[in-house]
Amino acid sequence: GQNIDQPTEMTATEGAIVQINCTYQTSGFNGLFWYQQHAGEAPTFLSYNVLDGLEEKGRFSSFLSRSKGYSYLLLKELQMKDSASYLCAVLDSNYQLIWGAGTKLIIKP
Amino acid sequence: DAEITQSPRHKITETGRQVTLACHQTWNHNNMFWYRQDLGHGLRLIHYSYGVQDTNKGEVSDGYSVSRSNTEDLPLTLESAASSQTSVYFCASSETSGGPYEQYFGPGTRLTVT
Repeated sequence: GQNIDQPTEMTATEGAIVQINCTYQTSGFNGLFWYQQHAGEAPTFLSYNVLDGLEEKGRFSSFLSRSKGYSYLLLKELQMKDSASYLCAVLDSNYQLIWGAGTKLIIKP
Repeated sequence: DAEITQSPRHKITETGRQVTLACHQTWNHNNMFWYRQDLGHGLRLIHYSYGVQDTNKGEVSDGYSVSRSNTEDLPLTLESAASSQTSVYFCASSETSGGPYEQYFGPGTRLTVT
């Protein structure tokens, strides 16, 4: 079966760095997405990785290792507005997005 | 600006009633999707469409139907609403070619079945 695992909840301090991990087992792989979802709102696209390595976009970076079935999202200089759920999703061989349950990130002052 | 809208944003209905949730996008995307989101679960795919007159079942399609008569709209119908269908429903769309096929989401519809 297809499976995506990520921690349910994480807590971090304003101004710090946090890494949210995602491991996956899917039928085929055509890329991995990270989305941000604030409470009561729709998911919004953060990043996309299809090749191994690190993609940096401002305070957010995403890493992929296809051989290990592993990705992480790195958030630097945390701000209170970063409090949200972070969703990992894999585009499988049928170009369907398989979603993890999301990681709720709580930022404390 | 292009967007994807959903209506209604909130709906309360009774068990056994038929309910239709609307989704309209102005991205001119061929691909459209319906998901439901429940606590403790990731987004689960209900139905999807790759173009006009094309519809496909997703992971949790029982009790739901869709139709695609034009590019912009993909309405979702609950044929006979059940309490298990109380959820938040998201519509999304994406491009067909060129990658990376990121999906753009509507604001969601919160449906309560009593």
